[in-house]
Amino acid sequence: DVKVTQSSRYLVKRTGEKVFLECVQDMDHENMFWYRQDPGLGLRLIYFSYDVKMKEKGDIPEGYSVSREKKERFSLILESASTNQTSMYLCASSPLSRGANQPQHFGDGTRLSIL
Amino acid sequence: AQKITQTQPGMFVQEKEAVTLDCTYDTSDQSYGLFWYKQPSSGEMIFLIYQGSYDEQNATEGRYSLNFQKARKSANLVISASQLGDSAMYFCAMREPNTGTASKLTFGTGTRLQVTL
Repeated sequence: DVKVTQSSRYLVKRTGEKVFLECVQDMDHENMFWYRQDPGLGLRLIYFSYDVKMKEKGDIPEGYSVSREKKERFSLILESASTNQTSMYLCASSPLSRGANQPQHFGDGTRLSIL
Repeated sequence: AQKITQTQPGMFVQEKEAVTLDCTYDTSDQSYGLFWYKQPSSGEMIFLIYQGSYDEQNATEGRYSLNFQKARKSANLVISASQLGDSAMYFCAMREPNTGTASKLTFGTGTRLQVTL
């Protein structure tokens, strides 16, 4: 089974702090994704990566950056955390497969609170 | 731009009954994929079922089936014989056509299903 592991289930940080959310997958997937989930808004894509050191902006990249130094690890960085970044963050991965029906596999999520 | 609409914020169903969760989509592409995910209160997203736009038959996976009506652009999830463990948030999602990079998903806002005794 595919395993996507997020480093923390719950995290509390203060405004202005630099926050790192880590995600590791064990299935050698090329694609990795970061979403945030807010009530009534569903999942919104922040950033994604299709290869090591490659990254592309999603729909809501402002205030975030990412790092992919190794294929299995994709980090989300909040450069200077703000209260409006309090949310549930979900990491996902999928294989590189053109036109295929491959689902994305998700981690358990990190509930981040910025005080 | 692609869009997924789930008009039911919440649904109730009695145990052992069937329930349909609605999903409509909007795309100008001919080739696309539709996914349903389940999210229990614990937070993890669980993949349930997939339907390709060129698939002639509706997808089925155990108690889950997808009522795919291409002309109406709808992809409703049907859960038969509901169980208490089906209580969760359900998301419909569409895969954007492969552009040479990662295949992104666009998600709806979700439907919270509550199964009652």
